[in-house]
Amino acid sequence: NAGVTQTPKFQVLKTGQSMTLQCAQDMNHNSMYWYRQDPGMGLRLIYYSASEGTTDKGEVPNGYNVSRLNKREFSLRLESAAPSQTSVYFCASSRPGNTIYFGEGSWLTVV
Amino acid sequence: SQQGEEDPQALSIQEGENATMNCSYKTSINNLQWYRQNSGRGLVHLILIRSNEREKHSGRLRVTLDTSKKSSSLLITASRAADTASYFCATDTGNQFYFGTGTSLTVIP
Repeated sequence: NAGVTQTPKFQVLKTGQSMTLQCAQDMNHNSMYWYRQDPGMGLRLIYYSASEGTTDKGEVPNGYNVSRLNKREFSLRLESAAPSQTSVYFCASSRPGNTIYFGEGSWLTVV
Repeated sequence: SQQGEEDPQALSIQEGENATMNCSYKTSINNLQWYRQNSGRGLVHLILIRSNEREKHSGRLRVTLDTSKKSSSLLITASRAADTASYFCATDTGNQFYFGTGTSLTVIP
């Protein structure tokens, strides 16, 4: 049972490049999330998906797009990376009102 | 703005002592959860307390919730060096989970 798997683990991008962070969960959860974590800021919600086929903005959606490809997969895309998007990104999933399960994180540096 | 705020931001104690950290939040919640994060790793769930509960225990963990004050506390008893980590509260508002900025706990052997 892998839980929540996200890739890549580490990535360095140049300003203006694009990339997609992939996330998959094998727990049959309806809800999936993307957070970013910056020093002293805790985790901030970028986008979430309450169910397959739906996505909604969180606290800090600007500069990102998401796709809920199916119940298992939820990807996060940076269309034109900026240095301000240097962060650690966490994918997570849950059942409504229940525990959130996190991936191990993706360290992204934009130079 | 973020829903939860932890206090203190950092805490350093000797092994064997108790550690208490607090969380305040702003709006009505369905439940509140506490998570631990070791350096460079993802967050791991510790305990969940629902809005109609006042106290919950799990091993060396004790969580309280006061919905009238919109606050929660996490007590770790008989701390160990392995408890060194950052601790976050997360509030479930129905569709979203909001995290605080965390308390960094250092347990000195």
